[in-house]
Amino acid sequence: DVKVTQSSRYLVKRTGEKVFLECVQDMDHENMFWYRQDPGLGLRLIYFSYDVKMKEKGDIPEGYSVSREKKERFSLILESASTNQTSMYLCASSFRYRKETQYFGPGTRLLVL
Amino acid sequence: QQQVKQSPQSLIVQKGGISIINCAYENTAFDYFPWYQQFPGKGPALLIAIRPDVSEKKEGRFTISFNKSAKQFSLHIMDSQPGDSATYFCAAYSGAGSYQLTFGKGTKLSVIP
Repeated sequence: DVKVTQSSRYLVKRTGEKVFLECVQDMDHENMFWYRQDPGLGLRLIYFSYDVKMKEKGDIPEGYSVSREKKERFSLILESASTNQTSMYLCASSFRYRKETQYFGPGTRLLVL
Repeated sequence: QQQVKQSPQSLIVQKGGISIINCAYENTAFDYFPWYQQFPGKGPALLIAIRPDVSEKKEGRFTISFNKSAKQFSLHIMDSQPGDSATYFCAAYSGAGSYQLTFGKGTKLSVIP
């Protein structure tokens, strides 16, 4: 079974803090994704990566950055957390040529106070 | 911006009834239409998917109906069970270079005994 794990299920941070969300997949997938999920808005893509050290902006990259130093690990960074970044963050992965079939992690619920 | 419009936002169905969730899209380049199921506290999981060369796909109690000319597709859950209570997301994908799944905003299904 594909397994995508996220480092924290719940996280509480203060405004202005630097926040790291970690995602690890164990299926040797080339593609990895970070989404944000908000009620009534569905899933919105923040960033994705198709290879180590490669990244592409999604629909809502402002206020976020990413890092992919190893194939299995994709990190989402909030440089200076703000209250409007309170959300559920979902990581996903897929094979290079099966981009449409994405496997999701359990999510990290982030609260910024 | 590419969009997938999903309705209804929420749905209450009696046990044993049929649940129907509808989605409409605009971009005719979309060529893969998955449905994801998300239980509370979990990440979305791929439930069933269809390509536009067929009008219907059935897997157990779950059926996707696809109308290419109307640019609409729907999920039917037959004999709905309380265990089907979850949020359902439709999505669309274009193989023309994009890495993005475009998601609908979700439907919260409650199946009552």
